[in-house]
Amino acid sequence: GQNIDQPTEMTATEGAIVQINCTYQTSGFNGLFWYQQHAGEAPTFLSYNVLDGLEEKGRFSSFLSRSKGYSYLLLKELQMKDSASYLCAVKDSNYQLIWGAGTKLIIKP
Amino acid sequence: GAVVSQHPSRVICKSGTSVKIECRSLDFQATTMFWYRQFPKQSLMLMATSNEGSKATYEQGVEKDKFLINHASLTLSTLTVTSAHPEDSSFYICSATAGQEYSPLHFGNGTRLTVT
Repeated sequence: GQNIDQPTEMTATEGAIVQINCTYQTSGFNGLFWYQQHAGEAPTFLSYNVLDGLEEKGRFSSFLSRSKGYSYLLLKELQMKDSASYLCAVKDSNYQLIWGAGTKLIIKP
Repeated sequence: GAVVSQHPSRVICKSGTSVKIECRSLDFQATTMFWYRQFPKQSLMLMATSNEGSKATYEQGVEKDKFLINHASLTLSTLTVTSAHPEDSSFYICSATAGQEYSPLHFGNGTRLTVT
């Protein structure tokens, strides 16, 4: 079967750094996506990795290791508005998106 | 770029009536659109995949006669919830892709449906 695992919930402090991990077992791999979803809103696209390594985009970075079936999303200089759910999704060999259940990130002052 | 517009954002309807939700890609041609449903504090659940000009492919457990999907053009897909019941109350989100294999999904703002 296909599976994506990410922690259910994480807590971090404003101004700090947090790393949200995602591991996957899928039939094939055609890219990994991270989305942010605030409560009651639709997801918004954050990042995309298809090759190993780190992709940096402002305060957010995403890392991929295909051999380990592993990715992380790194958020720096946390702000209260970063409180949201973060969804990891993988495109399999059929280009179908397989979704993780999401990680709820709680930012405390 | 890559804007997806979904309408209405909220709808309240009576049990037994039908509700139509529209999803439009504003600045790109969406060869494929996806309809998701999300219950409170749960993950996205894919309901169906629609390709322009062909019948939608429904996920297991989703009634195609209850959730009618039409994808008549490269910029518009509609989801009609027929004979809605309170258990259909949920957050419905459409998304679209331009079809390139590595292109991300872009989501509409979602429709919160409440059936009384």
